[in-house]
Amino acid sequence: RKEVEQDPGPFNVPEGATVAFNCTYSNSASQSFFWYRQDCRKEPKLLMSVYSSGNEDGRFTAQLNRASQYISLLIRDSKLSDSATYLCVVNTRLDYKLSFGAGTTVTVRA
Amino acid sequence: EAGVAQSPRYKIIEKRQSVAFWCNPISGHATLYWYQQILGQGPKLLIQFQNNGVVDDSQLPKDRFSAERLKGVDSTLKIQPAKLEDSAVYLCASSRLVSGDTQYFGPGTRLTVL
Repeated sequence: RKEVEQDPGPFNVPEGATVAFNCTYSNSASQSFFWYRQDCRKEPKLLMSVYSSGNEDGRFTAQLNRASQYISLLIRDSKLSDSATYLCVVNTRLDYKLSFGAGTTVTVRA
Repeated sequence: EAGVAQSPRYKIIEKRQSVAFWCNPISGHATLYWYQQILGQGPKLLIQFQNNGVVDDSQLPKDRFSAERLKGVDSTLKIQPAKLEDSAVYLCASSRLVSGDTQYFGPGTRLTVL
């Protein structure tokens, strides 16, 4: 079983729509959780960390469910510029080595 | 602040040839990572350095891959000999500390092995 699994999508949504997707992780001892964004043929960039109580950053909301071992990302009022692959990232070890999911592709259309 | 620098950006070689990639992390960042990202997959950690010491190289195919960070600053990753399945983007990342710190990625080197 993979350490981090994501629905690859693609999620095709119109501008202004809300889109949400999940990521599951296998190691119950995982400590830190992140969403990275990767544009086509570009490097990953940190979008946001995911905290136990859930957190928002503008139009982006991240949630953590430790009992079910998944994290989620919700994007409100989607913009064309939100089109990207969103990588779920989990720290599964004490020495802060990150495990990346394969990514969920989101395409926002005009 | 300058970002993580990598070169070359693209490389095409034939199988069984050798290739080397270079990475210069953000100034002052103690930790440097090399990742392999195969098309359609997430990045996979190959090796992690803290200063000039190896923290983790458990997923580095040591029969053909090697990496060094001799002075605790820039780093090179070498593949010798290359195989077709090594075709991927090789990403270098750095972070200020090891624990709980954001990783910043370079633009990557896109390797094609023919």
